[in-house]
Amino acid sequence: AQSVTQLGSHVSVSEGALVLLRCNYSSSVPPYLFWYVQYPNQGLQLLLKYTTGATLVKGINGFEAEFKKSETSFHLTKPSAHMSDAAEYFCAVTQPASSYKLIFGSGTRLLVRP
Amino acid sequence: DAGITQSPRHKVTETGTPVTLRCHQTENHRYMYWYRQDPGHGLRLIHYSYGVKDTDKGEVSDGYSVSRSKTEDFLLTLESATSSQTSVYFCAISESGGLPEAFFGQGTRLTVV
Repeated sequence: AQSVTQLGSHVSVSEGALVLLRCNYSSSVPPYLFWYVQYPNQGLQLLLKYTTGATLVKGINGFEAEFKKSETSFHLTKPSAHMSDAAEYFCAVTQPASSYKLIFGSGTRLLVRP
Repeated sequence: DAGITQSPRHKVTETGTPVTLRCHQTENHRYMYWYRQDPGHGLRLIHYSYGVKDTDKGEVSDGYSVSRSKTEDFLLTLESATSSQTSVYFCAISESGGLPEAFFGQGTRLTVV
């Protein structure tokens, strides 16, 4: 069975500081991994994805994530936080054999201090 | 934005009444999903569809049923609403092949009183 763990339900950073949101997964087969962002009262928007190939993937709004198989991790980073990055972030895993059903982590709310 | 429309966007209903939520897509994607979002739980899969009339249960399917009679429409029915089904419900779509990511609707906030 697949599962996702996001460490830290809330992360607070200063504007301009590094953003690091942690995601660890469990999967018995090569996973597809995603980060989604949710702004208040909105649906989920895809930030980036890893399927195969290059393990460092770049997404929208300056975010990137690195797939580390040995650590079963897919942490999300951004070098410099902006006030507009304040939102909830979800890590998710799936695989083709599961009809692409997503298994989500519990989410991390990012707070950006001025 | 992917063409996904959920209706209604907000609903308040009484315990014991049936409720149907609708998801409509214009992308002709094969897969459709219903998730519920609750604080501390992320999103959890209720039911999903892999084609017209082809559906299966997800992680939290008790008390819910679905139907998909057309590619573009996926209905979620709460057979007899309970307060534990108060939640935000999201529909999502995805396609097989090279585009495994799911696209989400704007959500339906359901309150059962």
